[in-house]
Amino acid sequence: EIVLTQSPGSLSLSPGERATLSCRASQSVRSNYLAWYQQKPGQAPRLLIYGASSRATGIPDRFSGSGSGTDFTLTISRLEPEDFVVYYCQLYGSSPRLTFGGGTKVEIK
Amino acid sequence: QVQLVESGGGLVKPGGSLRLSCAASGFTFGDYNMTWIRQAPGKGLEWVSSITSSTTTTHYADSVKGRFIISRDNARKSLYLQMNSLRAEDTAVYYCTRDAGGLDYWGQGTLVTVSS
Repeated sequence: EIVLTQSPGSLSLSPGERATLSCRASQSVRSNYLAWYQQKPGQAPRLLIYGASSRATGIPDRFSGSGSGTDFTLTISRLEPEDFVVYYCQLYGSSPRLTFGGGTKVEIK
Repeated sequence: QVQLVESGGGLVKPGGSLRLSCAASGFTFGDYNMTWIRQAPGKGLEWVSSITSSTTTTHYADSVKGRFIISRDNARKSLYLQMNSLRAEDTAVYYCTRDAGGLDYWGQGTLVTVSS
């Protein structure tokens, strides 16, 4: 079973800065079946990125995903006030199970 | 537009049962696999169970295997989760999701609280 480790657990940045979030898999991810989600307080998660680098419908282009194999990154190029929330990575396609990382909280510095 | 609306959550005693429902609209329900995800209070996301579009295949997390049953009625555009032998650790918000590889649509969630 592949384990996803997100780092850092929390990140303190200022609006306008660039955020770089990491998701590392314990084994190579098949066909880059890696997704990223954003969750605001009291809301359901929202799909940001699928296939490691494809933006979901309606997602602003300040969000980008990259990586392959075992190392994946979500980059937010210029943080907006509404971006200071929690982000999760998720593995799919390699088994019937869906695996989530533990999450990264982006906080206002 | 795509909508997923869960219902059926509530307070139940340990050992009890609940049946969650998810009503889907705005897309061809029978074309998609569907998945339940849960989130315990203050915790991260946990995959619970998935079912294929044709209902022929189901999968469960080890934590719920043998206690939960996922099902769907494509004619009624509905997804279900029958939860039996509930434990305190099943307390969570349960989300119904459309599984297109990534989970591209989520319901608002329904809270299940298992407590005596």
